Amino acid sequence: AQSVTQPDIHITVSEGASLELRCNYSYGATPYLFWYVQSPGQGLQLLLKYFSGDTLVQGIKGFEAEFKRSQSSFNLRKPSVHWSDAAEYFCAVGRGGGADGLTFGKGTHLIIQP
Amino acid sequence: DTAVSQTPKYLVTQMGNDKSIKCEQNLGHDTMYWYKQDSKKFLKIMFSYNNKELIINETVPNRFSPKSPDKAHLNLHINSLELGDSAVYFCASSQEVTPGQPQHFGDGTRLSIL
Repeated sequence: AQSVTQPDIHITVSEGASLELRCNYSYGATPYLFWYVQSPGQGLQLLLKYFSGDTLVQGIKGFEAEFKRSQSSFNLRKPSVHWSDAAEYFCAVGRGGGADGLTFGKGTHLIIQP
Repeated sequence: DTAVSQTPKYLVTQMGNDKSIKCEQNLGHDTMYWYKQDSKKFLKIMFSYNNKELIINETVPNRFSPKSPDKAHLNLHINSLELGDSAVYFCASSQEVTPGQPQHFGDGTRLSIL
């Protein structure tokens, strides 16, 4: 069965600093990988996705993620964070298609210091 | 226009009651889902429907009964509510003709059991 691990429960960064959120997955086949962001009281918004091809994918809000098959990782990065980036970030793996849904990591809570 | 809309946004009720949450998507997707987010923000899939047919039932108690009158709607009815049902419930939709399509989420329904 597939699983997703986000090892950092909380991360605090200063505004303007760079950010990297870690995600490791376990899946037997080619994974479909996603990063979602959840602002307080809101639903989940898709930041970016990886299906195949270029292992560095660009998303919205200046985020990017790199798929590394050898490390089973899909880390999310942003060169310079803004206070509005404070939110909960979820990494997810597609469960194989055919309406199988997503398996989520437990999330990383991002705090931005002024 | 809201792509995936859920009603109500908040639901406060007493143990033992029966309640329903409605979900509608206007994206033309053929697959809809219900997820449960617990107090630690962990998201877990409950059900998925593809063209009104149940695909996934993730060992959810049979007090939970999803109903899909058409492929744009997936409602969730909960009987005999228990304290442990307190959570945020998210509806989502996707187009699963091609596996691994991203899911679009509603803003969630926060269910509180007194």
